[in-house]
Amino acid sequence: GAVVSQHPSWVICKSGTSVKIECRSLDFQATTMFWYRQFPKQSLMLMATSNEGSKATYEQGVEKDKFLINHASLTLSTLTVTSAHPEDSSFYICSAKAGDEQFFGPGTRLTVL
Amino acid sequence: GQSLEQPSEVTAVEGAIVQINCTYQTSGFYGLSWYQQHDGGAPTFLSYNGLDGLEETGRFSSFLSRSDSYGYLLLQELQMKDSASYFCAAGTGFQKLVFGTGTRLLVSP
Repeated sequence: GAVVSQHPSWVICKSGTSVKIECRSLDFQATTMFWYRQFPKQSLMLMATSNEGSKATYEQGVEKDKFLINHASLTLSTLTVTSAHPEDSSFYICSAKAGDEQFFGPGTRLTVL
Repeated sequence: GQSLEQPSEVTAVEGAIVQINCTYQTSGFYGLSWYQQHDGGAPTFLSYNGLDGLEETGRFSSFLSRSDSYGYLLLQELQMKDSASYFCAAGTGFQKLVFGTGTRLLVSP
């Protein structure tokens, strides 16, 4: 199956700093990628849909100025958490669409101190 | 709104059969997928139902009834490695997935 990677796999940062997470489709091109957030023992919540060459579409309640998404190429989408705070600590997972399937990355665990 | 409800936890013993139910309320429903997620890992795809009925993939089967807004995942010949969280997910408009509340499966010897 198609492979999606994320980098970094985990990151610890200080409150107020910005963190960038990369999502790459390794062996296929993805015009559409998705970003999810998952808090401990909870489900995956879709944050936004990332479309190559256009602005991301954010779900209701997700601040677009805080979670910046850039999908500059057919194999790379980035999520930047700006001015991170402890409540942003979570597991961030991306997925890339190939045909009718979504392939998930391994996730990035963000801890904000 | 969109919601998919699952039991929070299910326990079973090795070799047994377990069924995880999912009831949903969504708009623009295209089909129901099932994912497995081990602690700290990414969701991995298990099964998909685009049409009503049963889909079988090895030890896993999934069922969908659109008229009842209901589906289930059936796991047979349970193994210890099947201990994980299981999520149903509805395909909706714009190719988005809405995930269910999740079911934690604990398999004991």
